[in-house]
Amino acid sequence: GQQLNQSPQSMFIQEGEDVSMNCTSSSIFNTWLWYKQDPGEGPVLLIALYKAGELTSNGRLTAQFGITRKDSFLNISASIPSDVGIYFCAGRCSAGKSTFGDGTTLTVKP
Amino acid sequence: GAVVSQHPSRVICKSGTSVKIECRSLDFQATTMFWYRQFPKQSLMLMATSNEGSKATYEQGVEKDKFLINHASLTLSTLTVTSAHPEDSSFYICSARRSGLNYGYTFGSGTRLTVV
Repeated sequence: GQQLNQSPQSMFIQEGEDVSMNCTSSSIFNTWLWYKQDPGEGPVLLIALYKAGELTSNGRLTAQFGITRKDSFLNISASIPSDVGIYFCAGRCSAGKSTFGDGTTLTVKP
Repeated sequence: GAVVSQHPSRVICKSGTSVKIECRSLDFQATTMFWYRQFPKQSLMLMATSNEGSKATYEQGVEKDKFLINHASLTLSTLTVTSAHPEDSSFYICSARRSGLNYGYTFGSGTRLTVV
């Protein structure tokens, strides 16, 4: 089946620093998605990318859909304590099924 | 808009009993819903795709007789964990796909199942 490699697995940063995480896949996806999940909650969509090469921002978050359609990155600028959580990438195929990465746990020290 | 309600949020049941989890789209119609399972500190794993009015499609390795899915209306899908065992303890999350041209997907808030 399809697999996504998400890195890094965890990050410990100081408040105000920028963060970058990425996902790569051996398969092509039609859509790349980035989610944040807080403990005991469902994932919340941060950014959706629909076209190869697309670069999209949502506030301090910026994500790009790789040209090869096999990778994506998420950047968070000027991190704040409430950015703490687990970030998941997901690739979606035409049938609507999403394959999730293993997540990046972000810790922000004030 | 696009709210998905999942109920219950937490449930503790005895081994051997069955548990039903509901996933409702509150303000849109969902022709397709997805059920995921998530173990602690792990990623979401797709269990099955639920289509309104037809049988669910299960992913490889997921027992259809163990995890019964019913999508009887455009706003409700249910997952029943039958004869639950401690190893079924997990976080179950649904996702609903909005029908129409501008479809999108919204996750429920999840159900923490503990089988004792």
